[in-house]
Amino acid sequence: DGGITQSPKYLFRKEGQNVTLSCEQNLNHDAMYWYRQDPGQGLRLIYYSQIVNDFQKGDIAEGYSVSREKKESFPLTVTSAQKNPTAFYLCASNLGTGGAGAFFGQGTRLTVV
Amino acid sequence: GQQLNQSPQSMFIQEGEDVSMNCTSSSIFNTWLWYKQEPGEGPVLLIALYKAGELTSNGRLTAQFGITRKDSFLNISASIPSDVGIYFCAGPTDSGAGSYQLTFGKGTKLSVIP
Repeated sequence: DGGITQSPKYLFRKEGQNVTLSCEQNLNHDAMYWYRQDPGQGLRLIYYSQIVNDFQKGDIAEGYSVSREKKESFPLTVTSAQKNPTAFYLCASNLGTGGAGAFFGQGTRLTVV
Repeated sequence: GQQLNQSPQSMFIQEGEDVSMNCTSSSIFNTWLWYKQEPGEGPVLLIALYKAGELTSNGRLTAQFGITRKDSFLNISASIPSDVGIYFCAGPTDSGAGSYQLTFGKGTKLSVIP
């Protein structure tokens, strides 16, 4: 089945450690996105990528890094520089054109203790 | 970046009632998208609107693209318990050089009382 897969669903890390969240899609979409969701804050854009080997910062990129070495994959690293990393992280993809709706993964809930 | 304002922030309604929510922007959008998110899950696309004045239905859901292109409305008729969730509006914004990012509103949280 075509879709977008995030793993793991739940992730626990100690403060000060980097952690990488996985996002894979088999929809042949060009564009991929990472959002952070906090209660009452809606979805805030962290990074997005329109094409392999290229990506742009979103509204809250500080403390995060990404790579886009393959069309299907867009991993997000939450670094120790991110001051408040505990959140629900959502990955999405779409065709990359202006009118295309995005499809979302199931999300990863990251808890830093 | 551009902002989308959704209202109301939350709603408590009786099962069987109709629901209306809206989304406004200070900027023009060429596409409006409506999503539903259930607890612990990713948002799911409900309706996409591409033309000013367009009215589109998906079952009991109806959405309209405002004539000014700065607003959109979502209506749910005869609500049922499984309508519970957070409803988001979203629109693509041009980041330049053919690159687009999706901007989301903060959502309307819907609770349905059986």
